[in-house]
Amino acid sequence: GQQLNQSPQSMFIQEGEDVSMNCTSSSIFNTWLWYKQDPGEGPVLLIALYKAGELTSNGRLTAQFGITRKDSFLNISASIPSDVGIYFCAGSSDSGNTPLVFGKGTRLSVIA
Amino acid sequence: NAGVMQNPRHLVRRRGQEARLRCSPMKGHSHVYWYRQLPEEGLKFMVYLQKENIIDESGMPKERFSAEFPKEGPSILRIQQVVRGDSAAYFCASSPVPIGELFFGEGSRLTVL
Repeated sequence: GQQLNQSPQSMFIQEGEDVSMNCTSSSIFNTWLWYKQDPGEGPVLLIALYKAGELTSNGRLTAQFGITRKDSFLNISASIPSDVGIYFCAGSSDSGNTPLVFGKGTRLSVIA
Repeated sequence: NAGVMQNPRHLVRRRGQEARLRCSPMKGHSHVYWYRQLPEEGLKFMVYLQKENIIDESGMPKERFSAEFPKEGPSILRIQQVVRGDSAAYFCASSPVPIGELFFGEGSRLTVL
């Protein structure tokens, strides 16, 4: 089945630093989504990407849909303590009924 | 505008009992998805339903697990004769159109003793 490789698995950064994480797949995706999950909560959608090469921002977050359609990255600028959590990439290879496939997540810790 | 509502948030069952997890999608959403998350893992797709129809159940274990989304009422994920390996967080998500952006509930955490 489809697999998403997400890296790094975990990150420890100082408050104020920028963060970058990425996701790659072995097959072409038509949709890339980035979610954040806080402990004990459900994933919350951060950014959705639907077009190869698309670069989209949401506040301090920026995500890009890779031109090859096999990768995506998420950047967080000027990190703050509330950025702590698990960030998941998710992708779908079909605009029809193919369900979203999720990566295993990047665990972000921010040191004040 | 309420989000995706799941209940119970926490459920404890003994081995062999049944677990029923309920999910009410966001208003206007007719597509429902169930995912399972083990500790320190990502979300694994289980089943995709549209009102009264199962569209894709490729991620559902063949035995003991079933899901429905009736015309009226919430979607239900049912696990019969639970075993310890069923302990996990079960998340429901909904969308207004097939696939695209999924909106998740806060999950139901099942613990099997």
